[in-house]
Amino acid sequence: NAGVTQTPKFRVLKTGQSMTLLCAQDMNHEYMYWYRQDPGMGLRLIHYSVGEGTTAKGEVPDGYNVSRLKKQNFLLGLESAAPSQTSVYFCASSRGYEQYFGPGTRLTVT
Amino acid sequence: AQKITQTQPGMFVQEKEAVTLDCTYDTSDPSYGLFWYKQPSSGEMIFLIYQGSYDQQNATEGRYSLNFQKARKSANLVISASQLGDSAMYFCAMRERKNDYKLSFGAGTTVTVRA
Repeated sequence: NAGVTQTPKFRVLKTGQSMTLLCAQDMNHEYMYWYRQDPGMGLRLIHYSVGEGTTAKGEVPDGYNVSRLKKQNFLLGLESAAPSQTSVYFCASSRGYEQYFGPGTRLTVT
Repeated sequence: AQKITQTQPGMFVQEKEAVTLDCTYDTSDPSYGLFWYKQPSSGEMIFLIYQGSYDQQNATEGRYSLNFQKARKSANLVISASQLGDSAMYFCAMRERKNDYKLSFGAGTTVTVRA
């Protein structure tokens, strides 16, 4: 039982490059979330999903896209990375009240 | 409008003493939940404690307790008998039923425990 895993753990991108972050959970949770954390701030919700095949915008969705083709996976895409997207990205999943977080992905855009 | 407010950017506490971290929230939803998470320097988010809006008693989990004052919209975390390993960032968060149970986080409080 791995819980919530994120791939990759670290990544450096150049401005304009694209990439996809993968979140996987093995707890059969319906709800999945992508957050970003910037220095001195709490986590802010980017996008979320309430079930397979569904996605919805969170607080800071601009510049990101997501897909939930399989219940256990939630993908976060950056089509054209910008320095403002330098951040730590957390994925989480939940079924009840508690959210289980992945270990985070540290992304730097130069 | 800010849903979660944590007014203490940083705090120092002596080992073995108790510390209270402040959290106020804003919601019109009668069904909501309040959470506290710990984020050590390693970066992972660790769930500490949960309080539901309809819970009559304050939540407790080991050395953690949540001082829930519903009328004041306050959900302070109390850590008793502080340990060096408690040094971390602490986040208060809220989820509301009307918002698909999304979590809204405060800016966090850094706690440093001194020996």
